[in-house]
Amino acid sequence: NAGVTQTPKFRILKIGQSMTLQCTQDMNHNYMYWYRQDPGMGLKLIYYSVGAGITDKGEVPNGYNVSRSTTEDFPLRLELAAPSQTSVYFCASRGLAVPSEQFFGPGTRLTVL
Amino acid sequence: QKEVEQNSGPLSVPEGAIASLNCTYSDRGSQSFFWYRQYSGKSPELIMSIYSNGDKEDGRFTAQLNKASQYVSLLIRDSQPSDSATYLCAAFTGANSKLTFGKGITLSVRP
Repeated sequence: NAGVTQTPKFRILKIGQSMTLQCTQDMNHNYMYWYRQDPGMGLKLIYYSVGAGITDKGEVPNGYNVSRSTTEDFPLRLELAAPSQTSVYFCASRGLAVPSEQFFGPGTRLTVL
Repeated sequence: QKEVEQNSGPLSVPEGAIASLNCTYSDRGSQSFFWYRQYSGKSPELIMSIYSNGDKEDGRFTAQLNKASQYVSLLIRDSQPSDSATYLCAAFTGANSKLTFGKGITLSVRP
Protein backbone atom coordinates (compact mmCIF):
# COMPACT_ATOMS: atom_id res chain seq x y z
CA ASN A 1 0.00 0.00 0.00
CA ALA A 2 1.26 3.46 -0.88
CA GLY A 3 -0.98 5.01 1.80
CA VAL A 4 -1.74 8.67 1.15
CA THR A 5 0.07 10.28 -1.76
CA GLN A 6 0.17 13.94 -2.70
CA THR A 7 1.38 15.78 -5.75
CA PRO A 8 3.20 18.01 -6.35
CA LYS A 9 5.77 18.13 -3.53
CA PHE A 10 6.65 21.76 -4.19
CA ARG A 11 5.08 24.52 -6.22
CA ILE A 12 5.59 28.24 -6.71
CA LEU A 13 2.60 30.22 -7.93
CA LYS A 14 2.19 33.80 -8.95
CA ILE A 15 -0.57 35.88 -7.38
CA GLY A 16 -3.85 35.22 -9.17
CA GLN A 17 -2.86 31.85 -10.63
CA SER A 18 -4.86 28.71 -9.94
CA MET A 19 -3.80 25.15 -9.24
CA THR A 20 -5.03 21.82 -7.97
CA LEU A 21 -3.29 19.86 -5.25
CA GLN A 22 -3.81 16.14 -5.77
CA CYS A 23 -4.43 13.61 -3.00
CA THR A 24 -4.99 9.88 -3.39
CA GLN A 25 -5.33 7.12 -0.83
CA ASP A 26 -5.37 3.39 -1.46
CA MET A 27 -6.70 2.24 1.92
CA ASN A 28 -10.39 2.48 0.99
CA HIS A 29 -10.88 5.11 3.68
CA ASN A 30 -14.17 6.98 3.82
CA TYR A 31 -12.85 10.07 5.55
CA MET A 32 -10.42 12.45 3.90
CA TYR A 33 -9.10 15.80 5.07
CA TRP A 34 -7.11 18.77 3.86
CA TYR A 35 -5.01 20.76 6.33
CA ARG A 36 -2.67 23.67 6.02
CA GLN A 37 0.23 24.19 8.38
CA ASP A 38 1.87 27.54 8.88
CA PRO A 39 5.06 27.82 10.96
CA GLY A 40 4.33 27.44 14.67
CA MET A 41 0.59 27.32 14.08
CA GLY A 42 -0.30 23.65 14.10
CA LEU A 43 -2.71 22.14 11.59
CA LYS A 44 -5.77 24.02 10.38
CA LEU A 45 -8.57 22.06 8.70
CA ILE A 46 -9.55 23.45 5.30
CA TYR A 47 -12.12 20.94 4.02
CA TYR A 48 -13.07 17.38 4.74
CA SER A 49 -15.13 14.60 3.21
CA VAL A 50 -16.99 11.72 4.83
CA GLY A 51 -17.38 9.82 1.57
CA ALA A 52 -17.65 10.13 -2.19
CA GLY A 53 -19.90 13.03 -3.13
CA ILE A 54 -19.94 14.55 0.36
CA THR A 55 -17.71 17.43 1.42
CA ASP A 56 -17.84 20.05 4.16
CA LYS A 57 -15.95 23.14 5.25
CA GLY A 58 -13.38 23.15 7.99
CA GLU A 59 -11.94 26.10 9.92
CA VAL A 60 -10.28 27.94 7.02
CA PRO A 61 -12.11 27.17 3.73
CA ASN A 62 -11.96 30.61 2.10
CA GLY A 63 -10.03 30.62 -1.17
CA TYR A 64 -10.26 26.85 -1.62
CA ASN A 65 -12.58 24.32 -3.17
CA VAL A 66 -12.74 20.53 -3.09
CA SER A 67 -14.52 17.67 -4.78
CA ARG A 68 -14.79 13.98 -4.00
CA SER A 69 -15.98 12.02 -6.99
CA THR A 70 -14.30 8.77 -5.92
CA THR A 71 -13.33 7.16 -2.61
CA GLU A 72 -9.65 7.38 -3.52
CA ASP A 73 -9.23 10.98 -4.67
CA PHE A 74 -9.75 14.28 -2.88
CA PRO A 75 -8.25 17.19 -4.86
CA LEU A 76 -7.93 20.68 -3.40
CA ARG A 77 -8.37 23.60 -5.78
CA LEU A 78 -6.88 27.03 -5.22
CA GLU A 79 -8.47 29.78 -7.28
CA LEU A 80 -6.80 33.18 -7.54
CA ALA A 81 -3.79 32.36 -5.38
CA ALA A 82 -2.82 34.91 -2.73
CA PRO A 83 0.38 35.27 -0.63
CA SER A 84 -1.68 34.31 2.44
CA GLN A 85 -2.03 30.83 0.94
CA THR A 86 1.72 30.22 1.19
CA SER A 87 1.84 27.20 3.44
CA VAL A 88 2.42 23.46 3.66
CA TYR A 89 -0.66 21.46 2.74
CA PHE A 90 -1.31 17.99 4.11
CA CYS A 91 -3.93 15.54 3.00
CA ALA A 92 -5.05 12.83 5.42
CA SER A 93 -7.43 9.91 5.49
CA ARG A 94 -9.12 7.76 8.11
CA GLY A 95 -11.24 4.64 8.14
CA LEU A 96 -14.80 4.31 9.41
CA ALA A 97 -14.01 2.70 12.76
CA VAL A 98 -14.11 4.95 15.83
CA PRO A 99 -11.47 5.47 16.93
CA SER A 100 -9.05 4.91 14.08
CA GLU A 101 -5.69 6.26 13.07
CA GLN A 102 -5.54 9.20 10.72
CA PHE A 103 -2.81 8.83 8.11
CA PHE A 104 -1.09 11.81 6.53
CA GLY A 105 0.38 12.31 3.09
CA PRO A 106 3.90 13.74 2.67
CA GLY A 107 2.67 17.28 2.07
CA THR A 108 2.85 19.95 -0.63
CA ARG A 109 4.91 23.07 0.02
CA LEU A 110 3.27 25.97 -1.78
CA THR A 111 4.70 29.46 -2.19
CA VAL A 112 2.67 32.29 -3.69
CA LEU A 113 4.71 35.26 -4.87
CA GLN B 1 -14.78 26.98 19.62
CA LYS B 2 -13.42 23.58 20.52
CA GLU B 3 -9.75 23.88 21.35
CA VAL B 4 -6.73 21.80 22.17
CA GLU B 5 -4.04 23.65 24.08
CA GLN B 6 -0.43 22.61 24.47
CA ASN B 7 2.00 24.24 26.86
CA SER B 8 4.29 26.67 25.13
CA GLY B 9 7.75 25.53 24.19
CA PRO B 10 10.28 24.88 23.14
CA LEU B 11 11.19 22.16 25.61
CA SER B 12 14.80 21.14 26.02
CA VAL B 13 15.92 18.08 28.00
CA PRO B 14 19.26 16.29 28.29
CA GLU B 15 19.72 12.87 26.74
CA GLY B 16 18.43 10.13 29.03
CA ALA B 17 15.97 12.40 30.86
CA ILE B 18 12.18 12.17 30.93
CA ALA B 19 10.37 14.61 28.66
CA SER B 20 6.85 15.55 29.77
CA LEU B 21 4.47 17.01 27.21
CA ASN B 22 1.07 18.29 28.30
CA CYS B 23 -2.21 19.03 26.56
CA THR B 24 -5.68 20.20 27.62
CA TYR B 25 -8.88 20.12 25.62
CA SER B 26 -12.13 22.06 25.89
CA ASP B 27 -14.69 19.69 24.34
CA ARG B 28 -15.98 17.23 26.95
CA GLY B 29 -17.43 15.21 24.08
CA SER B 30 -13.94 14.28 22.87
CA GLN B 31 -13.63 10.53 22.90
CA SER B 32 -10.11 9.68 21.90
CA PHE B 33 -6.75 11.35 21.90
CA PHE B 34 -3.65 11.09 19.82
CA TRP B 35 -0.04 12.18 19.94
CA TYR B 36 1.68 12.79 16.62
CA ARG B 37 5.39 13.37 16.11
CA GLN B 38 6.49 15.63 13.28
CA TYR B 39 10.09 15.95 12.19
CA SER B 40 11.08 19.16 10.45
CA GLY B 41 9.89 19.13 6.83
CA LYS B 42 7.95 15.89 7.26
CA SER B 43 4.33 14.94 7.81
CA PRO B 44 2.89 14.03 11.22
CA GLU B 45 3.13 10.38 12.25
CA LEU B 46 1.08 8.76 14.99
CA ILE B 47 3.06 7.60 18.01
CA MET B 48 0.40 7.08 20.68
CA SER B 49 -3.36 6.91 21.02
CA ILE B 50 -5.41 6.74 24.23
CA TYR B 51 -9.14 6.31 24.68
CA SER B 52 -9.80 5.67 28.37
CA ASN B 53 -8.69 7.22 31.64
CA GLY B 54 -5.34 6.13 32.97
CA ASP B 55 -1.98 5.31 31.49
CA LYS B 56 -1.01 3.57 28.30
CA GLU B 57 2.58 2.50 27.76
CA ASP B 58 4.36 1.65 24.52
CA GLY B 59 8.10 1.23 24.81
CA ARG B 60 9.62 4.49 26.03
CA PHE B 61 6.33 6.35 25.57
CA THR B 62 3.51 6.66 28.10
CA ALA B 63 0.29 8.50 27.39
CA GLN B 64 -1.89 9.61 30.28
CA LEU B 65 -5.54 10.66 30.10
CA ASN B 66 -7.71 12.31 32.74
CA LYS B 67 -11.13 13.05 31.27
CA ALA B 68 -12.40 14.73 34.45
CA SER B 69 -9.60 17.30 34.21
CA GLN B 70 -9.66 17.26 30.38
CA TYR B 71 -5.95 16.63 30.38
CA VAL B 72 -3.69 14.45 28.25
CA SER B 73 0.04 14.02 28.58
CA LEU B 74 2.89 12.20 26.91
CA LEU B 75 5.97 11.06 28.78
CA ILE B 76 9.09 10.08 26.90
CA ARG B 77 11.53 8.12 29.04
CA ASP B 78 15.25 7.87 28.31
CA SER B 79 14.96 10.68 25.78
CA GLN B 80 17.19 10.37 22.73
CA PRO B 81 18.40 13.02 20.27
CA SER B 82 16.24 11.24 17.68
CA ASP B 83 13.19 12.25 19.74
CA SER B 84 13.86 15.89 18.84
CA ALA B 85 10.76 16.91 16.90
CA THR B 86 7.47 18.75 17.22
CA TYR B 87 4.76 16.85 19.10
CA LEU B 88 1.14 17.48 18.25
CA CYS B 89 -1.73 16.60 20.55
CA ALA B 90 -5.09 15.88 18.91
CA ALA B 91 -8.60 15.19 20.20
CA PHE B 92 -11.26 13.32 18.25
CA THR B 93 -14.98 13.94 18.56
CA GLY B 94 -17.07 11.33 16.82
CA ALA B 95 -19.98 13.69 16.34
CA ASN B 96 -18.13 15.72 13.72
CA SER B 97 -15.61 13.08 12.63
CA LYS B 98 -12.73 15.49 12.95
CA LEU B 99 -9.46 15.69 14.81
CA THR B 100 -8.70 18.99 16.51
CA PHE B 101 -4.98 19.64 16.81
CA GLY B 102 -2.99 21.69 19.25
CA LYS B 103 -0.28 24.01 17.95
CA GLY B 104 2.42 21.55 18.91
CA ILE B 105 5.46 21.76 21.13
CA THR B 106 9.01 21.44 19.90
CA LEU B 107 11.20 19.09 21.90
CA SER B 108 14.97 19.27 21.74
CA VAL B 109 17.03 16.50 23.34
CA ARG B 110 20.60 17.62 24.08
CA PRO B 111 23.31 14.95 23.65
